[in-house]
Amino acid sequence: AQSVAQPEDQVNVAEGNPLTVKCTYSVSGNPYLFWYVQYPNRGLQFLLKYITGDNLVKGSYGFEAEFNKSQTSFHLKKPSALVSDSALYFCAVRPSLAGGGNKLTFGTGTQLKVEL
Amino acid sequence: SQTIHQWPATLVQPVGSPLSLECTVEGTSNPNLYWYRQAAGRGLQLLFYSVGIGQISSEVPQNLSASRPQDRQFILSSKKLLLSDSGFYLCAWSRSSGIISYNEQFFGPGTRLTVL
Repeated sequence: AQSVAQPEDQVNVAEGNPLTVKCTYSVSGNPYLFWYVQYPNRGLQFLLKYITGDNLVKGSYGFEAEFNKSQTSFHLKKPSALVSDSALYFCAVRPSLAGGGNKLTFGTGTQLKVEL
Repeated sequence: SQTIHQWPATLVQPVGSPLSLECTVEGTSNPNLYWYRQAAGRGLQLLFYSVGIGQISSEVPQNLSASRPQDRQFILSSKKLLLSDSGFYLCAWSRSSGIISYNEQFFGPGTRLTVL
């Protein structure tokens, strides 16, 4: 069975500094990897995904993520954080050869706090 | 473009009362549909998913049930609510491409359920 680990419950960063939100995964075969963001009392918004190809994936709002197969990681990054980036971030995975339903396994989430 | 709706946005119900939450998707056909529960603003628990009308898969045994009476309609129900049913309920959809699909899930705005 697949799993996702987000080792940090909370990440604090100053506005203008680079940010990294960590994610590691465990899956049989090749993974499909996703990042989502959730603002308070809202649904999750899709940020980006890795399916195949270039290990560096660019997504919405200036975010990017780097797939590292040897370290089974898919860390979310942004060169310059904004206060408005403060939210709850989820990493998700599914194996590329999963059965029907396209089910995702989500991590427990990392709260990002960007301060002035 | 595709949109997903959930209602109601908030709901306060007494213990033992019935529940019906509705989710509808517009702008696509034959989507995969999902119900999640998010407790304490964190981890997502997949409750049900559906790959077609009348096809429901349950992920965890519980006090809830789901139905898909129409292609783009997904309903979450309970005959008698428990205190432990309180939480934030999220509906999501994804495109289906036969059995294998790598498409991301898109989430609705959620329903905040409080059982008293």
